[in-house]
Amino acid sequence: RKEVEQDPGPFNVPEGATVAFNCTYSNSASQSFFWYRQDCRKEPKLLMSVYSSGNEDGRFTAQLNRASQYISLLIRDSKLSDSATYLCVALTGGFKTIFGAGTRLFVKA
Amino acid sequence: ETGVTQSPTHLIKTRGQQVTLRCSSQSGHNTVSWYQQALGQGPQFIFQYYREEENGRGNFPPRFSGLQFPNYSSELNVNALELDDSALYLCASSLDVANYGYTFGSGTRLTVV
Repeated sequence: RKEVEQDPGPFNVPEGATVAFNCTYSNSASQSFFWYRQDCRKEPKLLMSVYSSGNEDGRFTAQLNRASQYISLLIRDSKLSDSATYLCVALTGGFKTIFGAGTRLFVKA
Repeated sequence: ETGVTQSPTHLIKTRGQQVTLRCSSQSGHNTVSWYQQALGQGPQFIFQYYREEENGRGNFPPRFSGLQFPNYSSELNVNALELDDSALYLCASSLDVANYGYTFGSGTRLTVV
């Protein structure tokens, strides 16, 4: 079983749609969680950290459920520019950053 | 403020050779991590350096080694290259080992033939 698992995707959605990404992690000792965005043939870029209380940044909302070991990312009002791969990340042991395989999103006009 | 820079951007090596990849961390960042990303996969953690010491390691063999220098720049060395080592190698720096989120360089694409 992979330490961080994500929906395999890809997701194909029209502009304006709401899309949800799901992620689970296996190590209950994981301390911090993040969502990264990676455009094709580019480096990952930090999208947002994820907190148990939930956090929002514009059209993006992230949520962490420690009891279920589940992380989510919601994108509202999708834009063409949101097309990318979204990577779920768990930090374990204070240094080991475990990335999921990523979920590819295509937003169509 | 300069970001994370990696060199070279592309590299072709022959199986059995050795390679050194370089990374300059973002200004003010003292922690550097290295990752291997195969096509279609997420980055895999190789190791992390904090203030010139290896701070942790992922599931990579000893032929993957590294260094961090007093200016916090870093090197990744891979000995006895194998075909499966072909991948994008990413360096990322963070403000501190506590991890406030990493800033990635654009990577070095290594091809082993």
